[in-house]
Amino acid sequence: DVKVTQSSRYLVKRTGEKVFLECVQDMDHENMFWYRQDPGLGLRLIYFSYDVKMKEKGDIPEGYSVSREKKERFSLILESASTNQTSMYLCASSSWDSGLLFPYFGAGTRLSVL
Amino acid sequence: GENVEQHPSTLSVQEGDSAVIKCTYSDSASNYFPWYKQELGKGPQLIIDIRSNVGEKKDQRIAVTLNKTAKHFSLHITETQPEDSAVYFCAAIHTGTASKLTFGTGTRLQVTL
Repeated sequence: DVKVTQSSRYLVKRTGEKVFLECVQDMDHENMFWYRQDPGLGLRLIYFSYDVKMKEKGDIPEGYSVSREKKERFSLILESASTNQTSMYLCASSSWDSGLLFPYFGAGTRLSVL
Repeated sequence: GENVEQHPSTLSVQEGDSAVIKCTYSDSASNYFPWYKQELGKGPQLIIDIRSNVGEKKDQRIAVTLNKTAKHFSLHITETQPEDSAVYFCAAIHTGTASKLTFGTGTRLQVTL
């Protein structure tokens, strides 16, 4: 069964901290994604990756970076967390066969920046 | 780029009634339209999808319709049950390009007893 695991369900950080959100998938998927979910704004794509060490900017990359050193792991990095980055973060993956279709989502990490 | 609008933002129905969620898209080249359901504490999960060469698709109590001319598509849930309560997202993409899924803003469906 498809599984995307996000390391934390809830995180509380302080303004200015460097924050790492970790995501691991066990489906051998080539594509991985980071979305941000805010009420009234839906799901917005932050970054995605087609392959190891590759990354592409999504719709709202400002203030974020990513790292993909291994195929199964995709990390989202907030270099200096700000209060406007308080949100739900969703990781997803998909196979190359389906391209950017059918992303499978993790359960999400709810990040609060104080 | 693509823009997807979704209505209503919240919807409350009584158990057994039908629920309809509507989406419009802006890019006439979009040809694939999935729907996701997000239950409390979980990530979104694909429940049904439709491609532009099809006008309607059904899967038990859920159905999707697509009107390419008007650029809108809808999710229909019949005989609603409490377990249908969730947030639903529509999305659109043009599969012939390297573009990405564009999601609607979500509809919170509450099925009351």
